[in-house]
Amino acid sequence: QQPVQSPQAVILREGEDAVINCSSSKALYSVHWYRQKHGEAPVFLMILLKGGEQKGHDKISASFNEKKQQSSLYLTASQLSYSGTYFCGTVAGANNLFFGTGTRLTVIP
Amino acid sequence: DAGVIQSPRHEVTEMGQEVTLRCKPISGHNSLFWYRQTMMRGLELLIYFNNNVPIDDSGMPEDRFSAKMPNASFSTLKIQPSEPRDSAVYFCASSLETAYGNTIYFGEGSWLTVV
Repeated sequence: QQPVQSPQAVILREGEDAVINCSSSKALYSVHWYRQKHGEAPVFLMILLKGGEQKGHDKISASFNEKKQQSSLYLTASQLSYSGTYFCGTVAGANNLFFGTGTRLTVIP
Repeated sequence: DAGVIQSPRHEVTEMGQEVTLRCKPISGHNSLFWYRQTMMRGLELLIYFNNNVPIDDSGMPEDRFSAKMPNASFSTLKIQPSEPRDSAVYFCASSLETAYGNTIYFGEGSWLTVV
């Protein structure tokens, strides 16, 4: 039930953009995105509830394609503070939350 | 407001010993999750409680693992007997309602090393 994320890792220079993809083999009810810094707990970024929904704050946004059972996280004009591991979490059935394998993002000056 | 509180933060124990991890969810939250994180397997959902009742424990690795939630403000995850492969960070998390449309708040984690 674990969603699949791609890429596994990405290195960016400050100001560059990145896209992280998340896909599931099961129908999705909602998609969560979290960021985890090394040695810390995951921190919530956003939830998408409906197919076609797009959300964002600052320069981080996400979309949810319910039919394709996919979600994407968009990071634009990346900053050093964006570094960390990004996880998508999918809610498919019993209202529990399964996380993907994570995408390690490194932003360098 | 206090977040999710976990204890102990760090534990080193010998193989074969019993380990008990504790969690106090955010007051008013009725869903509680236990996750295990390792480099190899990422963040795995072990068990999910709703209103103190285990809803999904399909992620619990084997009979050595057990979890309880005797009331709305306390949960335990027990490993007996512990093995080196149980070494991981164990996160407890809670949410106001189900995970469908609600933020999951994580505790700081319990770092377990079994030697």
